[in-house]
Amino acid sequence: DIQMTQSPSSLSASVGDRVTITCRASQSISTYLNWYQHKPGKAPKLLIYSTSNLESGVPSRFSGSASGTDFSLTINSLQPEDFATYYCQQTYSSLYTFGQGTKLEIK
Amino acid sequence: EVQLVESGGGLVQPGGSLRLSCSASGFTFNSFVMHWVRQAPGKGLEYVSGMSNKGGSTYYADSVKGRFTISRDTSKNTLYLQMSSLRPEDTAVYYCVKDRGYGQRCFDYWGQGTLVTVSS
Repeated sequence: DIQMTQSPSSLSASVGDRVTITCRASQSISTYLNWYQHKPGKAPKLLIYSTSNLESGVPSRFSGSASGTDFSLTINSLQPEDFATYYCQQTYSSLYTFGQGTKLEIK
Repeated sequence: EVQLVESGGGLVQPGGSLRLSCSASGFTFNSFVMHWVRQAPGKGLEYVSGMSNKGGSTYYADSVKGRFTISRDTSKNTLYLQMSSLRPEDTAVYYCVKDRGYGQRCFDYWGQGTLVTVSS
């Protein structure tokens, strides 16, 4: 199975900050990498698909990129509603594994 | 509007069985791959199982292989997850998820989840 190693596991930041979350795949996954936002008591929400494509309705302060098997989610100018847990997900293999999650908290 | 509504969760004893259902609406159910994802208390998201649009292919995480069975009834627009030999570590909120398809392989719609608690 493909392992996804996500870091950091938690992150404290302030409104207006720029933050980056990374995910490393255990093997090549081409561009089959998605990012989700999850808030307590709600269903996860798709933010970025296929490494760098912004889901419809998602603010442009969210962006995704890749370098080899390293993938990044960047949030520019953090807003209060962005404090949540973020997950990467590979969909290269038939078992669509998730990263361990990054909890983004207000500093 | 796409809607996914899970049901069937509840309290079950270790070793017991439970069947989850997911009623889908707002899209052509038999055109899309569907999945189950779970989140144990205080833990992250875990992929559980998936099924191709016509039901010809199924996928299972190692943690549930041999104990869980995914199925779908296109006449009822419903996805199922039959869970047996349940363990305390299967305690989680279980989400029904729609795959976008068309080569994009991402989860574009999620249900609100149903809680399964395995405890004596």
